[in-house]
Amino acid sequence: NAGVTQTPKFRVLKTGQSMTLLCAQDMNHEYMYWYRQDPGMGLRLIHYSVGEGTTAKGEVPDGYNVSRLKKQNFLLGLESAAPSQTSVYFCASSYGTRGLETQYFGPGTRLLVL
Amino acid sequence: QKEVEQDPGPLSVPEGAIVSLNCTYSNSAFQYFMWYRQYSRKGPELLMYTYSSGNKEDGRFTAQVDKSSKYISLFIRDSQPSDSATYLCAMSVSGSWGKLQFGAGTQVVVTP
Repeated sequence: NAGVTQTPKFRVLKTGQSMTLLCAQDMNHEYMYWYRQDPGMGLRLIHYSVGEGTTAKGEVPDGYNVSRLKKQNFLLGLESAAPSQTSVYFCASSYGTRGLETQYFGPGTRLLVL
Repeated sequence: QKEVEQDPGPLSVPEGAIVSLNCTYSNSAFQYFMWYRQYSRKGPELLMYTYSSGNKEDGRFTAQVDKSSKYISLFIRDSQPSDSATYLCAMSVSGSWGKLQFGAGTQVVVTP
């Protein structure tokens, strides 16, 4: 099992450009999450999904959109990138109902917005 | 003010020493308490999970939760250089769809 994978690993964008980060999991997990990690801020939840076709806002959703068209994939989109979105992005997944707090994380995507 | 506070460190200890980490929080509704370990340039991985108050031990790791003081701790006994990582505390409210509130993380360096 690959677990949780993220594509790409690293990306440089110019202000105003758009991009999509892909998260894939092969554990048949219902719940998936997108976080961003900034120095001194810990991990902050951007958006999450409780199942295929569902999405919900987290703590810092502004400037991001998400889609969960397939159970195994969770996409994070930046429509118009801003320097404030420079960060490391982590995707995570977990079982439904019980064990939601046991989240399995991907290796991260480092994004630099110039 | 953040809901979860954690000293960022770095915390440097000699090999074999006990590492003591802690977090404080303000939301009394938190019921699930976790410690994640994150190696440099890797994703976090769950280390310890505790529900409500009490202690939990797993090998060299002990997690403690004191809900009355809104304080959680992680102890690492007989620390090894391989324990050098950032340790993140996390907590959540029951029924919150697994939405976790993380501390900023404490960097631990275990020197041989």
